[in-house]
Amino acid sequence: EAGVTQFPSHSVIEKGQTVTLRCDPISGHDNLYWYRRVMGKEIKFLLHFVKESKQDESGMPNNRFLAERTGGTYSTLKVQPAELEDSGVYFCASSQGVGFYTFGSGTRLTVV
Amino acid sequence: GEDVEQSLFLSVREGDSSVINCTYTDSSSTYLYWYKQEPGAGLQLLTYIFSNMDMKQDQRLTVLLNKKDKHLSLRIADTQTGDSAIYFCAETRMDSSYKLIFGSGTRLLVRP
Repeated sequence: EAGVTQFPSHSVIEKGQTVTLRCDPISGHDNLYWYRRVMGKEIKFLLHFVKESKQDESGMPNNRFLAERTGGTYSTLKVQPAELEDSGVYFCASSQGVGFYTFGSGTRLTVV
Repeated sequence: GEDVEQSLFLSVREGDSSVINCTYTDSSSTYLYWYKQEPGAGLQLLTYIFSNMDMKQDQRLTVLLNKKDKHLSLRIADTQTGDSAIYFCAETRMDSSYKLIFGSGTRLLVRP
């Protein structure tokens, strides 16, 4: 079984540019989560999809972040325009039920 | 303040035991987890414990839970150089998302 896949693994962009991160969850997993670790701090929840619906987006930092999961399969997280403080590692996780989550390898985003 | 707290760094000699500590805040958490992140890799679930348990042992790993004090620990016996990584403690937040609340991570360095 393929795991959770994230693209790209690294991205370096200039402040003000747009970046789109992608997550392919494990096939059949209805739950998809985005998390972020900034500057060596704790990993923080961003949002949760159940299929194509946003169940909880309470962790999204501001309206420069837009997450989608059209068709309930893969998800994208777009940052527009990117700011320096958006730098960090963005993790995606998926699960079928509650309690057991499989994480991707993360996308390291550097905004310069 | 943070919901889940961990010490930032631990250094041990190869062959010794390592103990990584964590305190959490949500008394309603059902599951508590330990994740491992090796350099350049994603988050790997090491072990978990149900909140109605006091202890769980899995090969070299022992998890102790003191629910009264909201204290969780991970003991690694016979620590090896391959155990060098960042270890994250996490609790589930019992809301609509069952999202994970992570600590800042403890960097474990195993000296030969």
